[in-house]
Amino acid sequence: DIQMTQSPSSLSASVGDRVTISCRASQGISNYLAWFQQKPGKAPKSLIYAASNLQSGVPSRFTGGGSGTDFTLTISSLQPEDFATYFCQQYHGYPLTFGGGTKVEIK
Amino acid sequence: QVQLQESGPGLVKPSETLSLTCSVSGGSISSYYWSWIRQPPGKGLEWVGYVDYSGSTNYNPSLKSRVTMSLDTSKNQFSLKLNSVTAADTAVFYCARSVGAWSPWDYWGQGTLVTVSS
Repeated sequence: DIQMTQSPSSLSASVGDRVTISCRASQGISNYLAWFQQKPGKAPKSLIYAASNLQSGVPSRFTGGGSGTDFTLTISSLQPEDFATYFCQQYHGYPLTFGGGTKVEIK
Repeated sequence: QVQLQESGPGLVKPSETLSLTCSVSGGSISSYYWSWIRQPPGKGLEWVGYVDYSGSTNYNPSLKSRVTMSLDTSKNQFSLKLNSVTAADTAVFYCARSVGAWSPWDYWGQGTLVTVSS
């Protein structure tokens, strides 16, 4: 199985801060990576696919980058609605696997 | 707009079979891949498996011996059966769609909590 490791597992930040979350794959996955945002009691919402492509309707303050084994999700200016948990997920190999999540909390 | 809606019993007894259905509206169930993903309370996400438009399946090896998925094109639904459940199977179950086996999910259901308890 391809292991996905996210860091940090949680972070505290203020509105307006720039935030970067990392995701590392245990083997190369090219750009077969997605990022999701999840709020309590809600289904995950797709933010980014193919490592750097923004889903329709997602604000441009979200940016994805990386290829191979190392990936990042950056929020350029954190907004109140961005406080949530973020997951990365690879779809390069089966079984499909997720990172453990990064909880973004209000400082 | 494509919408997915999970349905099924919210409580299942240990050793019994968990059965869920995902109803798809706003689009055909044909020509896509349909996955189940689960999330134990307070924990991360786990892909359970998929059934594709032809009825072919691919399951997570960790669950393969207990999982069956199928498609009902006449009802535009697909289903999940997980047998011999234990408390460790308690989770929110989501259904989701992708356009191919190596494509991201583009639509998700809202999720349904299934609790395994006597």
